Amino acid sequence: AQKITQTQPGMFVQEKEAVTLDCTYDTSDPSYGLFWYKQPSSGEMIFLIYQGSYDQQNATEGRYSLNFQKARKSANLVISASQLGDSAMYFCAMRESLTGTASKLTFGTGTRLQVTL
Amino acid sequence: SQTIHQWPATLVQPVGSPLSLECTVEGTSNPNLYWYRQAAGRGLQLLFYSVGIGQISSEVPQNLSASRPQDRQFILSSKKLLLSDSGFYLCAWSWGINTGELFFGEGSRLTVL
Repeated sequence: AQKITQTQPGMFVQEKEAVTLDCTYDTSDPSYGLFWYKQPSSGEMIFLIYQGSYDQQNATEGRYSLNFQKARKSANLVISASQLGDSAMYFCAMRESLTGTASKLTFGTGTRLQVTL
Repeated sequence: SQTIHQWPATLVQPVGSPLSLECTVEGTSNPNLYWYRQAAGRGLQLLFYSVGIGQISSEVPQNLSASRPQDRQFILSSKKLLLSDSGFYLCAWSWGINTGELFFGEGSRLTVL
């Protein structure tokens, strides 16, 4: 089974609107972390936001927030007030077993977001 | 502040030729280092990681190898490239503590013909 599933290959959103990018995960490990990355057309991966499995509150970073529903194993990214510069690929990733120093992330297949005028 | 650079940015190589991609981190010591590959339209696949000089862990058996000759230098190599080695290669680093977010380099696009 896929550890990280992103079911939306592409999404469109109008400028200044909010958009939700879906991510579901599969793990039996009680201790894990969830990440979202942005990949513009240049190719570089940019870290956006992190949510730990034991965090009580949903993570927020500026216009990004993570809607973490542990029982449903979902970690959706919400981008508020979309901007043209938000057009990019977005990847959800998971780190299982937070012990140990190596951070081996498993990535989903990504969602391409296009922001329109 | 910390920076990570990898080169070359673009590479076109014939089948059977060798490969060397290099990655260097500045502004931190003893980082964890990683090589990921991204096939066209796909997510990222972890190839190798290293938690210290000379310590290499391989995640996927394949035609590639990695080395860490210095604390902040990570090299991805192949003796003979295959067509299937084509892709976008990303180097990344992380601290050994905290949440473990990865910080990526600019990427190297390899085309094997």
